[in-house]
Parts: sequence; structure tokens; C-alpha cells
Amino acid sequence: AQKVTQAQTEISVVEKEDVTLDCVYETRDTTYYLFWYKQPPSGELVFLIRRNSFDEQNEISGRYSWNFQKSTSSFNFTITASQVVDSAVYFCALKNYGQNFVFGPGTRLSVLP
Amino acid sequence: NAGVTQTPKFQVLKTGQSMTLQCAQDMNHNSMYWYRQDPGMGLRLIYYSASEGTTDKGEVPNGYNVSRLNKREFSLRLESAAPSQTSVYFCASSEGRGSNQPQHFGDGTRLSIL
Repeated sequence: AQKVTQAQTEISVVEKEDVTLDCVYETRDTTYYLFWYKQPPSGELVFLIRRNSFDEQNEISGRYSWNFQKSTSSFNFTITASQVVDSAVYFCALKNYGQNFVFGPGTRLSVLP
Repeated sequence: NAGVTQTPKFQVLKTGQSMTLQCAQDMNHNSMYWYRQDPGMGLRLIYYSASEGTTDKGEVPNGYNVSRLNKREFSLRLESAAPSQTSVYFCASSEGRGSNQPQHFGDGTRLSIL
């Protein structure tokens, strides 16, 4: 069975603080893919990043970074020097090869000025 | 590029009315999906179409029907709307279930059932 847990329902930070959003997944498959999506207040779902199970390299894109650790089944997302525009709901998702996507419940991030 | 287009964006229905949500994608994707999003529940899969000509139930299919009209279009029908179906509905598409590519989403339809 596939499952994604995002234990943090809501997080509030003050602008310029760093914040990490946790994602823990469960799967028995050896080939799988992990994703992060952003849903700003306007409502659309925006794809941020994909990671393949065989590629544990961490990735940095500007203020965003992702830490993939198979040993702990985690794919955490860190925003450095947060900005008000980062306020959104963030979803982590898992996809086993040949199967459908499974989304976590989301983490609502509020960045206060 | 339009990506995934959903219509309408907003709709208010009375209990018992029927309606069809339309979705079209222009990315030549094989798979298409319908989700509903309720507060605190994340995205729940209603129905999906792994490829043209096939449809399958997802996690919450009761009260809905779908049609994969062609490769581009995947519609969701509420035959007799109920207040419990008040939600935001998202259509999505992807290359296919064997692909590692992400899903692309439409902008959503906000549906209220009175």
C-alpha cells in the first residue's frame, strides 16, 4: 500500500525565517517517484519537483531545497529566507511505477510580514 | 500552452440537479484524473482514465460518473447532486501510469450544492 504523511497541518513563520515541511511516505515498491506541489491562495496546483527512488541526491533551486532520505522514507522541503509569497498549501505526493498518485493531506504555510 | 482546461470555474446547484464538469488537455497525455478537494482532506481521487477508452473508480466514486470522450477530454457527471458533493474539483492529466512525469492540474471548479 502507498501512503503519504504530512504531520504538520499548519505552520506559521515570520518572513526571512527558514522553514522545513516534512513528508514521510510508505511503499513496498523499489521503483517510485516523489513530488511536491504548491497551492497558493489563488487555488491552482503548481508542480515544484520530482524525485526518482534511485536518485537520492538532494536538490536546491534558489531558496528551495529538498532532502530525500530513503533510510527514513522522507522527502522534506526547506524554504530558506521565507517570503510572504511562499504562503500556500504544500502537498507531497508518491507514485509507484504503474500506479496512481497518492497525495498527502497538505501543510498550510503562512509567512507573516 | 493551455495545459489542462476545466469548465466551469464556479457553479451553484440545487440538491437533485445534474451537471457535467468538462476537462480537456492539450499535452497528448494518456492518463486523466478527477479529484475533489475538501478542507483538511487533501486531494481524493474520484475516477481516473489510465488511457483512452478506459475508466476506473478511485477512492470516492459514489455519486459520480465519468466519460473519456477521446484522448483530450474527460468529463465528470453528477447525476443527482447532494450537499455532500460541495467541493472543489480538479482535473489532472499525466503521460501515463508507467511514467515518472508529474500530473498537470486544471484551475479547479468550485461547486456548491444547496
